[in-house]
Amino acid sequence: EAQVTQNPRYLITVTGKKLTVTCSQNMNHEYMSWYRQDPGLGLRQIYYSMNVEVTDKGDVPEGYKVSRKEKRNFPLILESPSPNQTSLYFCASRGSTNEKLFFGSGTQLSVL
Amino acid sequence: GESVGLHLPTLSVQEGDNSIINCAYSNSASDYFIWYKQESGKGPQFIIDIRSNMDKRQGQRVTVLLNKTVKHLSLQIAATQPGDSAVYFCAESGGSYIPTFGRGTSLIVHP
Repeated sequence: EAQVTQNPRYLITVTGKKLTVTCSQNMNHEYMSWYRQDPGLGLRQIYYSMNVEVTDKGDVPEGYKVSRKEKRNFPLILESPSPNQTSLYFCASRGSTNEKLFFGSGTQLSVL
Repeated sequence: GESVGLHLPTLSVQEGDNSIINCAYSNSASDYFIWYKQESGKGPQFIIDIRSNMDKRQGQRVTVLLNKTVKHLSLQIAATQPGDSAVYFCAESGGSYIPTFGRGTSLIVHP
């Protein structure tokens, strides 16, 4: 089954404790992206990757890192999480340019 | 910067009615538009898309209309069902090929 898999589904952590949210897709997609979703603000892009070893900042990259060492994986790293990073995070992937995005099920992160 | 917006944050309809969700976009270079549906606790899912060389596209119970003159996009859902209750997002992309999302409209279907 074609899918984007994120883990974990829920995560509670404390300020300053490094964490990684994993994302993997099995569709051989070149484009992958991370979004955060906050009430009233919709989906805001954090980082995206057009292909392996190519990553770019989205609209809200501060406090986040990503890597794209393999085509299928695109982890989101929070080196020193802060409470304002409490949010619902989605990973997405896409095949060709100007095609629909496939989203993961989301990761609800709470930073205390 | 460019933005994609929605006219109504919440839309309440009765089961069986037709629903219309609107979206305004401001990037005149946008040439691809998508509607996504997000049910509670899930990620957004593709519903229907339309390219700028078209003004209407139909799917199963859904129709997307594109008016490039006034930069307006709408999603019509026929015979709305309780299972249609969700948040609906429009998204557009243009020359950068990076999609921009609207803030979403919450559709509430009353039995």
